[in-house]
Amino acid sequence: GAVVSQHPSRVICKSGTSVKIECRSLDFQATTMFWYRQFPKQSLMLMATSNEGSKATYEQGVEKDKFLINHASLTLSTLTVTSAHPEDSSFYICSARLPLTSGGRIGEQFFGPGTRLTVL
Amino acid sequence: DAKTTQPTSMDCAEGRAANLPCNHSTISGNEYVYWYRQIHSQGPQYIIHGLKNNETNEMASLIITEDRKSSTLILPHATLRDTAVYYCIVRAYQGAQKLVFGQGTRLTINP
Repeated sequence: GAVVSQHPSRVICKSGTSVKIECRSLDFQATTMFWYRQFPKQSLMLMATSNEGSKATYEQGVEKDKFLINHASLTLSTLTVTSAHPEDSSFYICSARLPLTSGGRIGEQFFGPGTRLTVL
Repeated sequence: DAKTTQPTSMDCAEGRAANLPCNHSTISGNEYVYWYRQIHSQGPQYIIHGLKNNETNEMASLIITEDRKSSTLILPHATLRDTAVYYCIVRAYQGAQKLVFGQGTRLTINP
């Protein structure tokens, strides 16, 4: 259980276009999801916390108008990179958190397989 | 959240035990120690977590010192598939806080 999927796994786009990445919790409901970005040979950097039905909370230095996050349901969060440029090329990873009311590993996070974005 | 310090890289022979250290000298009483790993070009994978007692599961063992200022992740019989970056993270509450990743330890298992 506790599987998180991402789509697409890989995307190549032209500079100036917008790209949408989906994150789904397949077998549990997640009121909270997280979006990370990872550049080559670097660690994961938290971008934002996505809460179902409310606005996302962005980390310092992350442009909320460039990285649009929508968490419209308990199993789906989307990240849209608007007007993408080559410097936005990165590995984007989402995670979904088990509800805090669940037993066992309460509130534990499960990660998706990541989406590699290349902007030409 | 408390910061952690890990060696940048480590090597281990296949079949041997891999012992990955982590220092978290500023850990607070309500903070847990979590270990995740990331195999190349994949999302992080949960390994184990603990508060103050040693923990063991099917993947690994976690040894936390009595003063809780450091811990060691033990992979008892390392295989080539264990080659990955291992992250030690401390955070308050059991799951309530976000995970903030440091640089981790790049573990290479050699045949």
